[in-house]
Amino acid sequence: AQSVTQLGSHVSVSEGALVLLRCNYSSSVPPYLFWYVQYPNQGLQLLLKYTSAATLVKGINGFEAEFKKSETSFHLTKPSAHMSDAAEYFCAASPGTYKYIFGTGTRLKVLA
Amino acid sequence: DAGVTQSPTHLIKTRGQQVTLRCSPKSGHDTVSWYQQALGQGPQFIFQYYEEEERQRGNFPDRFSGHQFPNYSSELNVNALLLGDSALYLCASSLDLRQGDGYTFGSGTRLTVV
Repeated sequence: AQSVTQLGSHVSVSEGALVLLRCNYSSSVPPYLFWYVQYPNQGLQLLLKYTSAATLVKGINGFEAEFKKSETSFHLTKPSAHMSDAAEYFCAASPGTYKYIFGTGTRLKVLA
Repeated sequence: DAGVTQSPTHLIKTRGQQVTLRCSPKSGHDTVSWYQQALGQGPQFIFQYYEEEERQRGNFPDRFSGHQFPNYSSELNVNALLLGDSALYLCASSLDLRQGDGYTFGSGTRLTVV
């Protein structure tokens, strides 16, 4: 069965430090891949998506992610964390079907 | 340009009752999907509506049903509510997910069953 795994349900970084949120997918065919951010009591906002055009994808708010087929990974990074980045982040895969498969989420905490 | 609109934002129901949640998709989107997000979990796919028909369904019981109207808006109905149905219900609209189009999510309806 296809699945999305996010390593680390909670990640803490200092303000100004590198943010790295990990996502691995399980699929025989590379799917479309997405990162979403969710602030408390809100819906999900699209950060970026991979649709096979380029392996390094740049998104909003300074985030980017790199698709690595050999590692079946799509990790999210940001060079310098800001306090406003504190939120929950979800990785999702759309394996050419009508739905997304979401990971369980990673809560990012940014320390002053 | 209005995004996805969901109503109500919050509601409290008693076990055994029925509830209807509503969603208006983003302008130009013809597909509406519903997700259930339990506390501390990722969203789980309930079903998707396209051309007023249920196109795909997740692993949810028949107590969960839906409808799509000619203007693409949608309703999610849940009958015989259980405590475990307490969750954030997210509506997402899109064009063709098979082509890599992303969802646009609403802010959700927080359902509490007591």
